[in-house]
Amino acid sequence: NAGVTQTPKFQVLKTGQSMTLQCAQDMNHNSMYWYRQDPGMGLRLIYYSASEGTTDKGEVPNGYNVSRLNKREFSLRLESAAPSQTSVYFCASSEGLQHPSDTQYFGPGTRLTVL
Amino acid sequence: AQSVTQLDSQVPVFEEAPVELRCNYSSSVSVYLFWYVQYPNQGLQLLLKYLSGSTLVESINGFEAEFNKSQTSFHLRKPSVHISDTAEYFCALLRGGQNFVFGPGTRLSVLP
Repeated sequence: NAGVTQTPKFQVLKTGQSMTLQCAQDMNHNSMYWYRQDPGMGLRLIYYSASEGTTDKGEVPNGYNVSRLNKREFSLRLESAAPSQTSVYFCASSEGLQHPSDTQYFGPGTRLTVL
Repeated sequence: AQSVTQLDSQVPVFEEAPVELRCNYSSSVSVYLFWYVQYPNQGLQLLLKYLSGSTLVESINGFEAEFNKSQTSFHLRKPSVHISDTAEYFCALLRGGQNFVFGPGTRLSVLP
């Protein structure tokens, strides 16, 4: 099992450019998540998908959109990148929020720089 | 609202010394508590978790954490650290049916 995979690993964008971060999991998990990690702030939830076909906003959704393409894949799109979106982005998956002891499994991250 | 506090942003310690990384939480309902570890340039990995039962939980690499409901704490300890323990450690809580809430992280640096 590869677990949670993310592409690309690194990306540099200019302000105003768009891009999509890809995430896939092979653990047959129901729920998937996108976080951003900034120094001193821990992880902040951008969007999540509790199950296939549903998506919901997290703590910091502005400037992002998501698509739960199928049970395996959950993509994050930046329509018009801004320097404030420079961060490390992590995708995670879990069995499902309905499970009381839900554990999240994380991908290796995408380091994004917006100039 | 739920929150997780990790008061120490950085903890330097010499190899083979003991270490404690502090985590406090606030929640009006029962929660599940987790410690995740992030090695340099990697994603987060689950270290240990408290769900119910014994308040002392252990990981396979010598870390342990104790859930203290009265003090709303879940501190992480290791009696003797190794250079390879150098990493950032995140405390997180989960309330059933809700999303994870992560603390800001503590960077543990083990010095030779």
